[in-house]
Amino acid sequence: AQKVTQAQTEISVVEKEDVTLDCVYETRDTTYYLFWYKQPPSGELVFLIRRNSFDEQNEISGRYSWNFQKSTSSFNFTITASQVVDSAVYFCALIPPGANNLFFGTGTRLTVIP
Amino acid sequence: NAGVMQNPRHLVRRRGQEARLRCSPMKGHSHVYWYRQLPEEGLKFMVYLQKENIIDESGMPKERFSAEFPKEGPSILRIQQVVRGDSAAYFCASSSKRQGTTLANTGELFFGEGSRLTVL
Repeated sequence: AQKVTQAQTEISVVEKEDVTLDCVYETRDTTYYLFWYKQPPSGELVFLIRRNSFDEQNEISGRYSWNFQKSTSSFNFTITASQVVDSAVYFCALIPPGANNLFFGTGTRLTVIP
Repeated sequence: NAGVMQNPRHLVRRRGQEARLRCSPMKGHSHVYWYRQLPEEGLKFMVYLQKENIIDESGMPKERFSAEFPKEGPSILRIQQVVRGDSAAYFCASSSKRQGTTLANTGELFFGEGSRLTVL
């Protein structure tokens, strides 16, 4: 069975602070993909990143960075120098091999205060 | 992802009525997925369709819910005799998954803006 846990329901930070969103997953598969999506107040889901379970290199994209640690089954997401436009709900998701659907966590609502 | 069009964006129904949600995939995409997001929860997979075929409906409730993706026109998620528990946001996603690949390999899943159903 697959399970994705985002223990932080809501986080508030002041603009320009760094923030890390946690994601812990459970799967019996040895290969899988992990994703992060952003859901701004407008409601759509915006794809942020996909990570193969074989690739444990950290990834940085501008102010966004991801820390994948297979040993702890975690795929955490850090926003550096947060901005008000980062305010959204962020979802972590997992897909096992050969599957047709993503398993989503319950999301973390991030509020960046100006 | 602006290419996946869902309508209506908001729908209000009384208990017992029918709800029809439509999804037009991105141009060139022939694979459609429906997800449901209950209040304060993550998205849950419902059904995966290709043109004229239901490929995986393991997430669909056994009663009152149905989905189709006809040869022409949008995909439709239909909920009969709605109840208050059906109130949720329903998201459609599409992909151009090529035969022989899997969604995991391509990771190209584009979501629409969702349809928010409220049952009074």
